[in-house]
Amino acid sequence: ETAVFQTPNYHVTQVGNEVSFNCKQTLGHDTMYWYKQDSKKLLKIMFSYNNKQLIVNETVPRRFSPQSSDKAHLNLRIKSVEPEDSAVYLCASSYGGRYSGNTLYFGEGSRLIVV
Amino acid sequence: GDQVEQSPSALSLHEGTGSALRCNFTTTMRAVQWFRKNSRGSLINLFYLASGTKENGRLKSAFDSKERYSTLHIRDAQLEDSGTYFCAVDSNYQLIWGSGTKLIIKP
Repeated sequence: ETAVFQTPNYHVTQVGNEVSFNCKQTLGHDTMYWYKQDSKKLLKIMFSYNNKQLIVNETVPRRFSPQSSDKAHLNLRIKSVEPEDSAVYLCASSYGGRYSGNTLYFGEGSRLIVV
Repeated sequence: GDQVEQSPSALSLHEGTGSALRCNFTTTMRAVQWFRKNSRGSLINLFYLASGTKENGRLKSAFDSKERYSTLHIRDAQLEDSGTYFCAVDSNYQLIWGSGTKLIIKP
């Protein structure tokens, strides 16, 4: 049923290491997103990206960066992980931007544990 | 307190019957989205509403931003409808989730 694929689904790493999460969507959407889910069940948007525009939530630390080869792929790179980066990261896609009234389709999530 | 309250937390229905799930918000939200979590943990999109109602097969959803609630109605429930249903509301840089309703459909 899912058409937004994230890998890996689970990753344990040490403080200071670099981590990448990959995301691919097969829906033909033009916009992709990365969200971070916190302990209060809030999904906070980190990046919104289409082939025209990258929108960054300015509260996201600079060690996080999006990487995209084409509109079907949006990877999330964390240069040097910190303990507070432990969370579930969700990739999503849609037609148009978030405020165009289009629905978001989510991947299964990638759980990061930083030890 | 929680900004999004979802009820009931669990619901058991016999095949062929129906019921409604509800999502209440503490503040005005611009839109609501309903999902079903499948067996693989994926969130399957059901509806996105900025106002009014939408219907898709045996599912129907309504959103009233003024009264601060949304509902998801299921009719003629089938076994494959079992799962956990979530509402999520769009609030600027955050997507705020309800705690989910675990729906069990019995033969």
